[in-house]
Amino acid sequence: DQQVKQNSPSLSVQEGRISILNCDYTNSMFDYFLWYKKYPAEGPTFLISISSIKDKNEDGRFTVFLNKSAKHLSLHIVPSQPGDSAVYFCAASGGTYKYIFGTGTRLKVLA
Amino acid sequence: NAGVTQTPKFQVLKTGQSMTLQCAQDMNHEYMSWYRQDPGMGLRLIHYSVGAGITDQGEVPNGYNVSRSTTEDFPLRLLSAAPSQTSVYFCASSYSGPPTNEQFFGPGTRLTVL
Repeated sequence: DQQVKQNSPSLSVQEGRISILNCDYTNSMFDYFLWYKKYPAEGPTFLISISSIKDKNEDGRFTVFLNKSAKHLSLHIVPSQPGDSAVYFCAASGGTYKYIFGTGTRLKVLA
Repeated sequence: NAGVTQTPKFQVLKTGQSMTLQCAQDMNHEYMSWYRQDPGMGLRLIHYSVGAGITDQGEVPNGYNVSRSTTEDFPLRLLSAAPSQTSVYFCASSYSGPPTNEQFFGPGTRLTVL
């Protein structure tokens, strides 16, 4: 039972364009969401987060949108850069002492 | 600060062998956790700890044991390794855990069980 789903295993985007990564969740107890970025042979690093009391959070080129009614969040990267090529994981928490991660989306930004 | 350190980086075991994956952090974080990463499965939580002496199970705890005798260390033990435990293992820590504290991850241990 996958509580956090990232249905697109991979995504390719041209440099300078917008990258949109999507994440869906099923557990209505989740009230905090985080995005992590992972390069090969390294551990994930935190990117941006959002609380369920907000519907948008921005940090530089990265914006996360949350649609609670649809149980959906998305990460927008504008403009995309080749250094953004990585695997992106969304994670959720709420109601327990656990963070639950999605399956990841591999983003490739083409120069 | 070294952050989160994991040893070893690589390990090959035979079925039935036991071993301990080490994890240490120097940030005085209360919350520590172990994940495994498998292709198509993302990061799955094995065990976690909210402080010294307190541990609990995650999503996939079977075949693994943990203990937390100090704030700094959170070792993961494989009692009798199986090929299904071939994976990349990540340890992570955060100041006080969910919901709002982001985790810091170690570089991972790549384990192969033959």
